[in-house]
Amino acid sequence: KAGVTQTPRYLIKTRGQQVTLSCSPISGHRSVSWYQQTPGQGLQFLFEYFSETQRNKGNFPGRFSGRQFSNSRSEMNVSTLELGDSALYLCASSLGQAGVGSYNEQFFGPGTRLTVL
Amino acid sequence: AQSVTQLGSHVSVSEGALVLLRCNYSSSVPPYLFWYVQYPNQGLQLLLKYTSAATLVKGINGFEAEFKKSETSFHLTKPSAHMSDAAEYFCAVSDHNAGNMLTFGGGTRLMVKP
Repeated sequence: KAGVTQTPRYLIKTRGQQVTLSCSPISGHRSVSWYQQTPGQGLQFLFEYFSETQRNKGNFPGRFSGRQFSNSRSEMNVSTLELGDSALYLCASSLGQAGVGSYNEQFFGPGTRLTVL
Repeated sequence: AQSVTQLGSHVSVSEGALVLLRCNYSSSVPPYLFWYVQYPNQGLQLLLKYTSAATLVKGINGFEAEFKKSETSFHLTKPSAHMSDAAEYFCAVSDHNAGNMLTFGGGTRLMVKP
């Protein structure tokens, strides 16, 4: 079974531009989460989507948004890029949304490395 | 909110030596606990997880971790380090009502000397 795929793997943008990153989950997985990884802040949760609905959101400004399609593929968008948005953006997929007292194992993609100049 | 502390951002061991990477969490209610490994230019790979079953958890590549509620710890160990173990290791937690959201520690970079 193919793993989580993220495109593109590398991206260079300039300040003020916007960017869209894509994540294709493992076949059959319906939940997709996004994380930002930077040397200064480490790994931080951005948001989670399940069945095309945002289920959970981290503490990021509104410039960061996402969506999920009916085939469970997800995109995240960052508008008005800032230098501090340079990071590795990781996507993780799992079978479903975890309920209270349960957990679904997450599988991570290789990430998209975004550089903002 | 949950927090995770990994003591030591860099740990260096000799090949064949014991590996010990420390992780402490903040919750009074034991969460789900995980260790992930990240190799350069790659995503995260799950090493092992604690989900309220056995307190000693065995993972891949010879790693294991012990959940100690009294110490709110989940330290990762491996009896004998191999050169291929050199990577960054992350401890993470998930609250029982947080869905799939993971809170990560700051990471520990493991270096293995020949």
